[in-house]
Amino acid sequence: AQSVTQPDIHITVSEGASLELRCNYSYGATPYLFWYVQSPGQGLQLLLKYFSGDTLVQGIKGFEAEFKRSQSSFNLRKPSVHWSDAAEYFCAVGRRDGNEKLTFGTGTRLTIIP
Amino acid sequence: ETGVTQSPTHLIKTRGQQVTLRCSSQSGHNTVSWYQQALGQGPQFIFQYYREEENGRGNFPPRFSGLQFPNYSSELNVNALELDDSALYLCASSLQTGGVETQYFGPGTRLLVL
Repeated sequence: AQSVTQPDIHITVSEGASLELRCNYSYGATPYLFWYVQSPGQGLQLLLKYFSGDTLVQGIKGFEAEFKRSQSSFNLRKPSVHWSDAAEYFCAVGRRDGNEKLTFGTGTRLTIIP
Repeated sequence: ETGVTQSPTHLIKTRGQQVTLRCSSQSGHNTVSWYQQALGQGPQFIFQYYREEENGRGNFPPRFSGLQFPNYSSELNVNALELDDSALYLCASSLQTGGVETQYFGPGTRLLVL
């Protein structure tokens, strides 16, 4: 069974600083990987996804993520955060066997300080 | 905006009651998945429907059931509500064509069981 670990429950970053959110996955084959963002009281918005090919993927809002097979990681990065980036971020892994079940991590809450 | 809507936005029920939550998928999407997100947790997969048939189920008891209709709408039904059923319920629609496609989430229904 697949699993996702987001080791950082809460991260605080100054506005304008760089950001890296960690995600490690466990899956028996090459996974499909996703990052979603959730603002308070809202649903999930897709930031970016990795299916195959280039291991550095670009997403919306200036985010990017890099798939590293050797480390089983898919860390999310942004060079300069904005106050509007404050939210909960979820990493998820999807299966390649036709069942589209997504397995999510427990999330990382991002706080931005002025 | 993902084009996925859910109703109602909030709901309060008492233990033992039954509840029906509704989701309207993006037009043309043939797959809908339901997730339960408890407070402070990542979403947990409940089940998925593909072309009106259940197509995968997570670790949830049979009192959680669903329906998918030809008009891109779907329902999640929960019988004999328990206090632990209090959560945000998210539906996600996708177009399944043989590979893994992206799931687009609605804003969720927040259920409180007293």
